[in-house]
Amino acid sequence: GNSVTQMEGPVTLSEEAFLTINCTYTATGYPSLFWYVQYPGEGLQLLLKATKADDKGSNKGFEATYRKETTSFHLEKGSVQVSDSAVYFCALNTGTSYGKLTFGQGTILTVHP
Amino acid sequence: DADVTQTPRNRITKTGKRIMLECSQTKGHDRMYWYRQDPGLGLRLIYYSFDVKDINKGEISDGYSVSRQAQAKFSLSLESAIPNQTALYFCATSDSSGGSSYGYTFGSGTRLTVV
Repeated sequence: GNSVTQMEGPVTLSEEAFLTINCTYTATGYPSLFWYVQYPGEGLQLLLKATKADDKGSNKGFEATYRKETTSFHLEKGSVQVSDSAVYFCALNTGTSYGKLTFGQGTILTVHP
Repeated sequence: DADVTQTPRNRITKTGKRIMLECSQTKGHDRMYWYRQDPGLGLRLIYYSFDVKDINKGEISDGYSVSRQAQAKFSLSLESAIPNQTALYFCATSDSSGGSSYGYTFGSGTRLTVV
């Protein structure tokens, strides 16, 4: 079956530090890959996505590249801000599962001034 | 108004009580989902519906039921609430025309506490 594994958290960084949150997946078919962000007290919002191998999704300074050979979709940002503090979820959708997203367990990011 | 609205935002209920969580959407999407979120476990799918007459169990449906009253409304019920159903519940929608590349739109969640 499909599964998503994210790096263990929580992750604590100082402002302007470089961020990487690892995500690897197992899937049948050819999945689309997503990163969602959940700010405190809010629902999940789509951050970025990639729909085929070697695609790079990007948004708000975050980016992630779909690596089929390593089945990975790591999230990166060159310089984090306090406002980036949130929970980040990696997810996949193969389409063969009727549009159901499979989520990783989430990674809590805290950025200090 | 939000695209996906969940009510109530917070609820405390007693063990054994029946409770309903409601979700409505203005996105015009055909697919709707209920997830629960627990710390360290991510989001787990409870039920999903691809249209008004198509409702399916997710991975953790025991103890829950749903009703799709209209394309825009999808309610989740706990017939007899128990403390381990204390969690954050999310409703989400998606559009089948987008295929696997289409993400979800989430509501803001309902925080349910069963005492």
